[in-house]
Amino acid sequence: DGGITQSPKYLFRKEGQNVTLSCEQNLNHDAMYWYRQDPGQGLRLIYYSQIVNDFQKGDIAEGYSVSREKKESFPLTVTSAQKNPTAFYLCASSTQGGTEAFFGQGTRLTVV
Amino acid sequence: AQSVSQHNHHVILSEAASLELGCNYSYGGTVNLFWYVQYPGQHLQLLLKYFSGDPLVKGIKGFEAEFIKSKFSFNLRKPSVQWSDTAEYFCAVNARWAGSYQLTFGKGTKLSVIP
Repeated sequence: DGGITQSPKYLFRKEGQNVTLSCEQNLNHDAMYWYRQDPGQGLRLIYYSQIVNDFQKGDIAEGYSVSREKKESFPLTVTSAQKNPTAFYLCASSTQGGTEAFFGQGTRLTVV
Repeated sequence: AQSVSQHNHHVILSEAASLELGCNYSYGGTVNLFWYVQYPGQHLQLLLKYFSGDPLVKGIKGFEAEFIKSKFSFNLRKPSVQWSDTAEYFCAVNARWAGSYQLTFGKGTKLSVIP
């Protein structure tokens, strides 16, 4: 079945620890995106990648890092520098050229 | 960079009422426009999209949207809502920025339909 898989669905971490969220797609899409969703804030773009080994910062990249070593994978690391990391994180992918994006089920990260 | 503005944070309607959700974007170039829906506890799904051609586009579940280029708008409409339309609706713009396509979302509009 084609789609985007985010894991885990729920994640708890202690303050000061880095944590990596997984995103894998088998849609053969070139572009991948990470968003953060907070109530009343909509989806805010963290990082995006149009091609393997290349990525760009979105609107709220501070405190986050990504890598794109493989076409199907785009992991997001939430570092200890992120001031307010507790949120719902969504990964998406699309073909190149501004087409529609397909979303994963999301990861809810809680930092205590 | 582009931005997307959704006019209403929360809309409450009775069943069978008509719906119009506003969406404006700021970007001077060519854009691709989308409406996504997020039902409670579910992932984001595409309702409809506009790339080019007829500015009135029809999507799933009886939704439609009209692209008005002069107003930078892409409003979502449905003639008669149902309780099952209760969800959060997001307008999105995909446009070329700094050499690559960036997909930007509005803050969302929560729709509550009262039976």
